[in-house]
Amino acid sequence: GAVVSQHPSWVICKSGTSVKIECRSLDFQATTMFWYRQFPKQSLMLMATSNEGSKATYEQGVEKDKFLINHASLTLSTLTVTSAHPEDSSFYICSADPGREVTDTQYFGPGTRLTVL
Amino acid sequence: QKEVEQNSGPLSVPEGAIASLNCTYSDRGSQSFFWYRQYSGKSPELIMFIYSNGDKEDGRFTAQLNKASQYVSLLIRDSQPSDSATYLCAVNLIGRGRRALTFGSGTRLQVQP
Repeated sequence: GAVVSQHPSWVICKSGTSVKIECRSLDFQATTMFWYRQFPKQSLMLMATSNEGSKATYEQGVEKDKFLINHASLTLSTLTVTSAHPEDSSFYICSADPGREVTDTQYFGPGTRLTVL
Repeated sequence: QKEVEQNSGPLSVPEGAIASLNCTYSDRGSQSFFWYRQYSGKSPELIMFIYSNGDKEDGRFTAQLNKASQYVSLLIRDSQPSDSATYLCAVNLIGRGRRALTFGSGTRLQVQP
């Protein structure tokens, strides 16, 4: 089956530091990867769409200079939370889209829990 | 109006009963529909997807789609305590040129032993 990994699974950092989260598709190539954020007791909110070799498309209200996305290859996308603050503490989840067929689904990574002190 | 709406619950059913989860969506251009299960602290896992009007069955799960009413549901037969989780309805607006999913807020299901 299609497997997506995320690293790290959890991270605790001090306010003002930057944190990088990696998302990898392990057994398929992903033309598109998505980054979601989920606050406690809320649903997943799409942050950005990442296409290999091009700039990410950010959703309204998501600061692109704060959440840097790099999709350097067909199997790796990274999200860097720059100058993190406590309000950035959340569960960050990526998903990968094989993009082969219209009916393809997305495959989710296990998520990264970020806590900013 | 939210693009994808679900009753937040909790929906409580006894073990062995049928759990019925409902979802409505606002965009008639929606083409594919997904049900995910999410346990607390975990990422969503796909249960079923449906594209055509009617029913689609997979084991104890049946997804139902009615595009005219903009309504999709998930039935869980013979509910088990392990089915207790939050169920997320998601819609894929392929017609917009995007393949991102728009999620509902989820319905929390509690199956009582």
